[in-house]
Amino acid sequence: ILNVEQSPQSLHVQEGDSTNFTCSFPSSNFYALHWYRWETAKSPEALFVMTLNGDEKKKGRISATLNTKEGYSYLYIKGSQPEDSATYLCAFNFNKFYFGSGTKLNVKP
Amino acid sequence: DTAVSQTPKYLVTQMGNDKSIKCEQNLGHDTMYWYKQDSKKFLKIMFSYNNKELIINETVPNRFSPKSPDKAHLNLHINSLELGDSAVYFCASSHEPGLRNTEAFFGQGTRLTVV
Repeated sequence: ILNVEQSPQSLHVQEGDSTNFTCSFPSSNFYALHWYRWETAKSPEALFVMTLNGDEKKKGRISATLNTKEGYSYLYIKGSQPEDSATYLCAFNFNKFYFGSGTKLNVKP
Repeated sequence: DTAVSQTPKYLVTQMGNDKSIKCEQNLGHDTMYWYKQDSKKFLKIMFSYNNKELIINETVPNRFSPKSPDKAHLNLHINSLELGDSAVYFCASSHEPGLRNTEAFFGQGTRLTVV
């Protein structure tokens, strides 16, 4: 079983704050790293798929970076809005998807 | 059109019963999965099916059995339900996970409550 760890477990920020959280994964045999956004009472939706060391992906105010050699990925949210409140999951793709426990983000207006 | 659909959304049943949760995907994916969201909100893989063949079976009690009548469906059968089986179960599908850019699409989840 592969260990995928996310930190922090939860985060409370004010509207307008920028924030970031971390996903750690095994650095050997890297294949792909995924970020998902999971809103309450909905199903997880894919944000990014990252495959190459040094990858940077961006979607609006959300961006992610990848370091496969040291086994981590950062997700950044610039100018957080209440609608960004969700759990952000990362998943390590190594012949199947191994999910972290997620970072629950709460953005207060 | 819903890409991955699960039924029912909620299921309340008594201990000892046998129940099924259905999952269907219309994305043309060849791999389907069942995940259990545990009490700590972790998503833990239970099974995956690729081309109608079970390729991964984690340490899940054999009371749980996946059934795939065709590659668009992966149903979860649970025999002799126990209180500890109460959880939210998610179905997902993807292209072959060996493809780097593949991503998983999830159903809405089925909240199972065993009383």
